[in-house]
Amino acid sequence: AQSVTQLDSQVPVFEEAPVELRCNYSSSVSVYLFWYVQYPNQGLQLLLKYLSGSTLVESINGFEAEFNKSQTSFHLRKPSVHISDTAEYFCAVSPSGGSYIPTFGRGTSLIVHP
Amino acid sequence: NAGVTQTPKFQVLKTGQSMTLQCAQDMNHNSMYWYRQDPGMGLRLIYYSASEGTTDKGEVPNGYNVSRLNKREFSLRLESAAPSQTSVYFCASSAPGQANTEAFFGQGTRLTVV
Repeated sequence: AQSVTQLDSQVPVFEEAPVELRCNYSSSVSVYLFWYVQYPNQGLQLLLKYLSGSTLVESINGFEAEFNKSQTSFHLRKPSVHISDTAEYFCAVSPSGGSYIPTFGRGTSLIVHP
Repeated sequence: NAGVTQTPKFQVLKTGQSMTLQCAQDMNHNSMYWYRQDPGMGLRLIYYSASEGTTDKGEVPNGYNVSRLNKREFSLRLESAAPSQTSVYFCASSAPGQANTEAFFGQGTRLTVV
Protein backbone atom coordinates (compact mmCIF):
# COMPACT_ATOMS: atom_id res chain seq x y z
CA ALA A 1 0.00 0.00 0.00
CA GLN A 2 1.05 3.57 -0.47
CA SER A 3 0.16 6.89 1.10
CA VAL A 4 0.63 10.54 0.21
CA THR A 5 1.07 13.46 2.57
CA GLN A 6 0.63 17.01 1.39
CA LEU A 7 2.06 19.06 4.19
CA ASP A 8 0.16 22.29 3.57
CA SER A 9 -3.60 22.49 3.21
CA GLN A 10 -3.45 26.09 2.03
CA VAL A 11 -0.65 28.22 0.57
CA PRO A 12 -1.29 31.95 0.10
CA VAL A 13 1.19 33.83 -2.06
CA PHE A 14 1.42 37.11 -3.93
CA GLU A 15 1.45 37.27 -7.69
CA GLU A 16 4.93 36.89 -9.27
CA ALA A 17 6.34 35.33 -6.10
CA PRO A 18 7.83 31.81 -6.10
CA VAL A 19 5.90 28.93 -4.57
CA GLU A 20 6.58 25.38 -3.41
CA LEU A 21 3.85 22.84 -2.67
CA ARG A 22 5.19 19.94 -0.68
CA CYS A 23 4.41 16.26 -1.18
CA ASN A 24 5.85 13.22 0.58
CA TYR A 25 4.89 9.65 -0.07
CA SER A 26 5.43 6.20 1.35
CA SER A 27 5.41 2.95 -0.56
CA SER A 28 6.92 -0.51 -0.31
CA VAL A 29 7.20 -0.77 -4.11
CA SER A 30 8.43 1.39 -6.97
CA VAL A 31 6.03 4.16 -7.85
CA TYR A 32 4.94 6.64 -10.44
CA LEU A 33 4.29 10.18 -9.17
CA PHE A 34 1.81 12.78 -10.38
CA TRP A 35 0.60 16.30 -9.72
CA TYR A 36 -2.96 17.17 -10.72
CA VAL A 37 -4.66 20.57 -10.71
CA GLN A 38 -8.34 21.21 -10.05
CA TYR A 39 -9.93 24.53 -10.95
CA PRO A 40 -13.23 25.46 -9.25
CA ASN A 41 -16.16 23.22 -10.19
CA GLN A 42 -14.04 21.12 -12.54
CA GLY A 43 -12.45 17.71 -12.60
CA LEU A 44 -8.77 17.02 -12.03
CA GLN A 45 -6.28 17.58 -14.84
CA LEU A 46 -2.77 16.19 -15.03
CA LEU A 47 -0.13 18.86 -14.44
CA LEU A 48 3.01 16.71 -14.65
CA LYS A 49 4.24 13.21 -13.96
CA TYR A 50 7.36 11.23 -13.12
CA LEU A 51 7.55 7.73 -14.52
CA SER A 52 11.29 7.17 -14.94
CA GLY A 53 14.43 8.87 -16.20
CA SER A 54 15.24 12.46 -15.30
CA THR A 55 14.11 13.24 -11.78
CA LEU A 56 13.16 16.80 -12.74
CA VAL A 57 9.93 17.06 -14.70
CA GLU A 58 8.26 20.16 -16.08
CA SER A 59 4.80 21.24 -17.17
CA ILE A 60 3.95 23.47 -20.12
CA ASN A 61 2.84 26.32 -17.85
CA GLY A 62 6.05 26.73 -15.85
CA PHE A 63 5.61 24.29 -12.96
CA GLU A 64 8.30 21.74 -12.17
CA ALA A 65 8.68 18.91 -9.69
CA GLU A 66 11.67 16.88 -8.61
CA PHE A 67 11.53 13.25 -7.58
CA ASN A 68 13.76 12.67 -4.56
CA LYS A 69 13.86 8.97 -3.82
CA SER A 70 15.96 9.22 -0.65
CA GLN A 71 13.55 11.74 0.88
CA THR A 72 10.47 10.15 -0.72
CA SER A 73 9.35 13.56 -1.91
CA PHE A 74 7.93 15.08 -5.06
CA HIS A 75 7.60 18.80 -4.34
CA LEU A 76 5.99 21.12 -6.89
CA ARG A 77 7.57 24.51 -7.62
CA LYS A 78 6.99 27.54 -9.75
CA PRO A 79 9.39 30.51 -9.82
CA SER A 80 6.70 33.12 -10.48
CA VAL A 81 2.97 32.50 -10.01
CA HIS A 82 0.01 34.15 -11.73
CA ILE A 83 -3.50 34.85 -10.52
CA SER A 84 -4.66 32.12 -12.88
CA ASP A 85 -2.65 29.52 -10.91
CA THR A 86 -5.17 29.78 -8.08
CA ALA A 87 -6.51 26.24 -7.77
CA GLU A 88 -6.41 23.03 -5.74
CA TYR A 89 -3.33 20.87 -6.34
CA PHE A 90 -3.22 17.15 -5.66
CA CYS A 91 -0.18 14.93 -5.41
CA ALA A 92 -0.74 11.28 -6.33
CA VAL A 93 1.25 8.07 -6.35
CA SER A 94 0.61 4.75 -8.05
CA PRO A 95 2.57 1.51 -8.06
CA SER A 96 4.62 1.07 -11.21
CA GLY A 97 3.19 -2.39 -11.62
CA GLY A 98 0.35 -4.59 -10.45
CA SER A 99 -2.84 -2.63 -9.84
CA TYR A 100 -1.48 0.85 -10.80
CA ILE A 101 -4.27 2.33 -8.67
CA PRO A 102 -3.51 5.99 -7.88
CA THR A 103 -3.65 7.20 -4.28
CA PHE A 104 -4.17 10.91 -3.74
CA GLY A 105 -3.10 13.36 -1.08
CA ARG A 106 -5.59 15.64 0.64
CA GLY A 107 -4.79 18.56 -1.64
CA THR A 108 -3.20 21.98 -1.28
CA SER A 109 -5.18 25.09 -2.05
CA LEU A 110 -2.92 27.63 -3.78
CA ILE A 111 -4.29 31.14 -3.41
CA VAL A 112 -2.54 33.82 -5.46
CA HIS A 113 -3.17 37.39 -4.34
CA PRO A 114 -2.68 40.42 -6.61
CA ASN B 1 -12.51 14.26 -27.74
CA ALA B 2 -15.09 13.65 -25.04
CA GLY B 3 -12.73 11.80 -22.66
CA VAL B 4 -14.63 10.82 -19.51
CA THR B 5 -18.29 11.80 -19.33
CA GLN B 6 -20.31 11.71 -16.13
CA THR B 7 -24.04 12.16 -15.69
CA PRO B 8 -25.77 13.82 -13.97
CA LYS B 9 -23.70 16.87 -13.00
CA PHE B 10 -25.90 17.73 -10.03
CA GLN B 11 -28.38 15.73 -7.97
CA VAL B 12 -30.37 16.20 -4.80
CA LEU B 13 -31.73 13.07 -3.12
CA LYS B 14 -33.83 12.47 -0.07
CA THR B 15 -32.52 10.06 2.55
CA GLY B 16 -33.36 6.51 1.52
CA GLN B 17 -33.72 7.20 -2.18
CA SER B 18 -31.60 5.36 -4.71
CA MET B 19 -29.78 6.54 -7.79
CA THR B 20 -27.14 5.52 -10.31
CA LEU B 21 -24.26 7.71 -11.41
CA GLN B 22 -23.22 7.04 -14.97
CA CYS B 23 -19.70 7.19 -16.39
CA ALA B 24 -18.41 6.51 -19.88
CA GLN B 25 -14.97 6.89 -21.45
CA ASP B 26 -14.00 6.85 -25.09
CA MET B 27 -10.24 6.32 -24.71
CA ASN B 28 -10.30 2.51 -24.78
CA HIS B 29 -8.93 2.39 -21.23
CA ASN B 30 -9.01 -0.87 -19.31
CA SER B 31 -9.10 0.63 -15.82
CA MET B 32 -11.87 2.76 -14.40
CA TYR B 33 -12.36 4.26 -10.94
CA TRP B 34 -14.92 5.97 -8.74
CA TYR B 35 -13.66 8.48 -6.17
CA ARG B 36 -15.44 10.77 -3.76
CA GLN B 37 -14.06 14.17 -2.83
CA ASP B 38 -14.82 15.73 0.51
CA PRO B 39 -13.34 18.94 1.96
CA GLY B 40 -9.99 18.30 3.60
CA MET B 41 -10.09 14.60 2.70
CA GLY B 42 -8.79 14.66 -0.85
CA LEU B 43 -10.00 11.90 -3.15
CA ARG B 44 -10.88 8.56 -1.68
CA LEU B 45 -11.34 5.47 -3.82
CA ILE B 46 -14.78 3.87 -3.64
CA TYR B 47 -14.49 1.09 -6.23
CA TYR B 48 -12.34 0.33 -9.21
CA SER B 49 -12.40 -1.94 -12.21
CA ALA B 50 -9.16 -3.21 -13.69
CA SER B 51 -10.87 -4.59 -16.77
CA GLU B 52 -14.27 -5.37 -18.22
CA GLY B 53 -16.06 -7.84 -15.98
CA THR B 54 -14.03 -7.21 -12.83
CA THR B 55 -14.62 -4.85 -9.93
CA ASP B 56 -12.96 -4.42 -6.55
CA LYS B 57 -13.54 -2.42 -3.40
CA GLY B 58 -11.51 0.61 -2.61
CA GLU B 59 -11.05 2.51 0.61
CA VAL B 60 -14.69 3.55 1.22
CA PRO B 61 -17.06 1.06 -0.49
CA ASN B 62 -19.82 0.85 2.13
CA GLY B 63 -23.20 1.99 0.82
CA TYR B 64 -22.21 1.72 -2.84
CA ASN B 65 -22.33 -0.82 -5.64
CA VAL B 66 -20.80 -0.71 -9.09
CA SER B 67 -21.26 -2.28 -12.49
CA ARG B 68 -18.72 -2.46 -15.28
CA LEU B 69 -21.25 -2.75 -18.07
CA ASN B 70 -18.65 -2.96 -20.85
CA LYS B 71 -15.21 -1.53 -21.51
CA ARG B 72 -16.60 2.01 -21.87
CA GLU B 73 -19.06 2.25 -19.00
CA PHE B 74 -18.71 2.04 -15.22
CA SER B 75 -21.71 2.98 -13.08
CA LEU B 76 -21.98 3.70 -9.36
CA ARG B 77 -25.20 2.96 -7.49
CA LEU B 78 -26.42 4.25 -4.15
CA GLU B 79 -29.12 1.86 -2.98
CA SER B 80 -30.33 3.87 0.01
CA ALA B 81 -28.79 7.33 0.14
CA ALA B 82 -27.61 8.77 3.46
CA PRO B 83 -26.56 12.34 4.33
CA SER B 84 -22.98 11.05 4.81
CA GLN B 85 -22.92 10.35 1.07
CA THR B 86 -23.23 14.04 0.28
CA SER B 87 -20.07 14.59 -1.74
CA VAL B 88 -18.60 15.25 -5.15
CA TYR B 89 -18.13 12.04 -7.09
CA PHE B 90 -15.50 11.63 -9.78
CA CYS B 91 -15.12 8.90 -12.33
CA ALA B 92 -11.69 8.35 -13.85
CA SER B 93 -10.05 6.01 -16.31
CA SER B 94 -6.50 5.02 -17.16
CA ALA B 95 -4.40 2.71 -19.26
CA PRO B 96 -2.03 1.15 -16.72
CA GLY B 97 1.41 0.25 -17.92
CA GLN B 98 1.18 2.53 -20.94
CA ALA B 99 3.14 5.73 -21.51
CA ASN B 100 0.07 7.82 -20.64
CA THR B 101 -0.60 5.96 -17.44
CA GLU B 102 -2.17 8.88 -15.64
CA ALA B 103 -5.85 8.99 -14.69
CA PHE B 104 -8.27 11.02 -16.78
CA PHE B 105 -11.18 12.50 -14.85
CA GLY B 106 -14.76 13.43 -15.57
CA GLN B 107 -16.23 16.76 -14.50
CA GLY B 108 -17.81 15.32 -11.38
CA THR B 109 -21.29 14.79 -9.95
CA ARG B 110 -22.28 17.01 -7.05
CA LEU B 111 -24.64 14.98 -4.87
CA THR B 112 -26.58 16.33 -1.92
CA VAL B 113 -28.56 13.98 0.31
CA VAL B 114 -31.11 15.72 2.51
